[in-house]
Amino acid sequence: AQSVSQHNHHVILSEAASLELGCNYSYGGTVNLFWYVQYPGQHLQLLLKYFSGDPLVKGIKGFEAEFIKSKFSFNLRKPSVQWSDTAEYFCAVRGGNAGNMLTFGGGTRLMVKP
Amino acid sequence: GAGVSQSPSNKVTEKGKDVELRCDPISGHTALYWYRQSLGQGLEFLIYFQGNSAPDKSGLPSDRFSAERTGGSVSTLTIQRTQQEDSAVYLCASSLALIYGQGTDTQYFGPGTRLTVL
Repeated sequence: AQSVSQHNHHVILSEAASLELGCNYSYGGTVNLFWYVQYPGQHLQLLLKYFSGDPLVKGIKGFEAEFIKSKFSFNLRKPSVQWSDTAEYFCAVRGGNAGNMLTFGGGTRLMVKP
Repeated sequence: GAGVSQSPSNKVTEKGKDVELRCDPISGHTALYWYRQSLGQGLEFLIYFQGNSAPDKSGLPSDRFSAERTGGSVSTLTIQRTQQEDSAVYLCASSLALIYGQGTDTQYFGPGTRLTVL
């Protein structure tokens, strides 16, 4: 079965620091990759997605992610975080041998100190 | 347009009671998914529906859980004889198409129903 690993459970950064959140999935083949964000008290929102084409995808609020097929990775990056980026971030994978549902990583809680 | 809506937003019930959770997907979305988010298990897939096809129930944790989708739109998730371990946030999502590789299959999530079983 597909599995998704997010390496960091909790990350604390100061404003303007750079961010990289790791995400690895277990199964190769054709996959769709997503990052969702959940701000405090709000529901899951799509941050960005990769279906095909350019492996470097750009999302909302200055976030980007790079798909590296050889490493089964889809890491999320932002060059300079803001206090408003405090949230929980989830990597998700659809496809491979897991059908059409999403398989989520365990999430990373990001706290940005003002 | 309107997003995915779920009701109730919060539900507190006693152990052993049955509960029903409702999801209204985005209009025109043919696929509907249920997930749950709990402290110990993270985000887990439960079940999905696509048009008139038989639902994929592979994620349901026990036979106390069932779901239906009437008229290809609204869905109800039913948990019978609730247990304390059922306490979680139950999330519904919908997507426009289920055809793999079509490039439109992004799932949009509702706000969830927080279920607390006492």
